Amino acid sequence: DIQMTQSPSSLSASVGDRVAITCRATQSISNYLNWYQQKPGKAPELLIYAATTLQRGVPSRFSGSGSGTDFTLTISTLQPGDFATYFCQQSFSTPRTFGQGTKVAIK
Amino acid sequence: QVQLQESGSGLVKPSETLSLTCTISGDSISTGGYSWNWIRQPPGKDLEYIGYIYYSGSTYYNPSLKSRVTMSVDRSNNQFSLKLNSVTAADTAIYYCAREVLLRNYFDPWGQGTLVTVSS
Repeated sequence: DIQMTQSPSSLSASVGDRVAITCRATQSISNYLNWYQQKPGKAPELLIYAATTLQRGVPSRFSGSGSGTDFTLTISTLQPGDFATYFCQQSFSTPRTFGQGTKVAIK
Repeated sequence: QVQLQESGSGLVKPSETLSLTCTISGDSISTGGYSWNWIRQPPGKDLEYIGYIYYSGSTYYNPSLKSRVTMSVDRSNNQFSLKLNSVTAADTAIYYCAREVLLRNYFDPWGQGTLVTVSS
């Protein structure tokens, strides 16, 4: 199985900050990398697919980069509604696997 | 807008069978181009992929759970289901259903998840 490792596991930030979360795969997954946001008690929501493509309706302050084994989710200007848990997921092979999540909290 | 909703028993005894159903609204399970998936998250642990089923009934199960998992489709009720037998406390988790868009290889949407506790 492909292992996905996110860092950091958690971070504290203020509204307006720029935030970056990284995700590393144990082998090359090309651009088969998705990012999700999850708020407590809610279903995960797709933010970015194919490493860099913003899902329809997702604000442009979210962006994704990377290919191969190293990927980054960036929030350019953190908004109050962005405090949540973010996780990556590879869709290069089965079984699909996920990062452990990064909790973004209010500083 | 497609929505998924999990339902089933929230409490299962050890060694018994966990049964969950995912009801689809806003689309037909028979629409091509999708797989229908189960994913779980034990408390404090990472998301774990369980497997998928196509509307045709073809399945893929994660090898780590394959010996205990069965998935099925009910086209008449626009649902798909998960059965996990011989459960232990390690199967306690929030269980999610999700649709994978095959051409894009992402999960969207997900259900809200349902907590299943394995306890006597």
